[in-house]
Amino acid sequence: SQQGEEDPQALSIQEGENATMNCSYKTSINNLQWYRQNSGRGLVHLILIRSNEREKHSGRLRVTLDTSKKSSSLLITASRAADTASYFCATDASGGYNKLIFGAGTRLAVHP
Amino acid sequence: DAGVIQSPRHEVTEMGQEVTLRCKPISGHNSLFWYRQTMMRGLELLIYFNNNVPIDDSGMPEDRFSAKMPNASFSTLKIQPSEPRDSAVYFCASSSTGGNTIYFGEGSWLTVV
Repeated sequence: SQQGEEDPQALSIQEGENATMNCSYKTSINNLQWYRQNSGRGLVHLILIRSNEREKHSGRLRVTLDTSKKSSSLLITASRAADTASYFCATDASGGYNKLIFGAGTRLAVHP
Repeated sequence: DAGVIQSPRHEVTEMGQEVTLRCKPISGHNSLFWYRQTMMRGLELLIYFNNNVPIDDSGMPEDRFSAKMPNASFSTLKIQPSEPRDSAVYFCASSSTGGNTIYFGEGSWLTVV
């Protein structure tokens, strides 16, 4: 069963614009991670935020976490056509086993 | 450094046939995961192993599915007999204890006709 729910399901923007994707989850977590999947490929880890963190940056990525609302957001700034992919949040509540439960994903299309 | 290696990348088989998917995790990783991805159900965790021992197989759909990890460098996911509803992309992933990131293979695309 899926733990996280992303919205929107699909997002279409122009190059240079910012893209924001949201994730909600149901149970207490140790950490929340975001992954990216290019069409026909495996998932690739982007960024991890721990339950005691509120915000994290990595390059053009900014992730926030609100444990009181059980929600997270991923912001991609100054998007590029190469950012076109599906983005998934994943929650780890396993206490050390990295048992990740993935959401349904957001399909991002960035148009030149 | 080689990533997670899966085989076959693509398989088309007839209903009722046995399907075996293979995975070689990243060397040194001691956790291994099998996921299934479909449009309808998204990415589902089927089973995960730690130090070659199955820890949680609650996601395995039914008795037709079985997974083994005979050693630290090899795992199989077997479907017998296969059915059209098993058509999906099956991903193997691995991670190291203490590390939080899991690394995915490129997937095995299974079509059962």
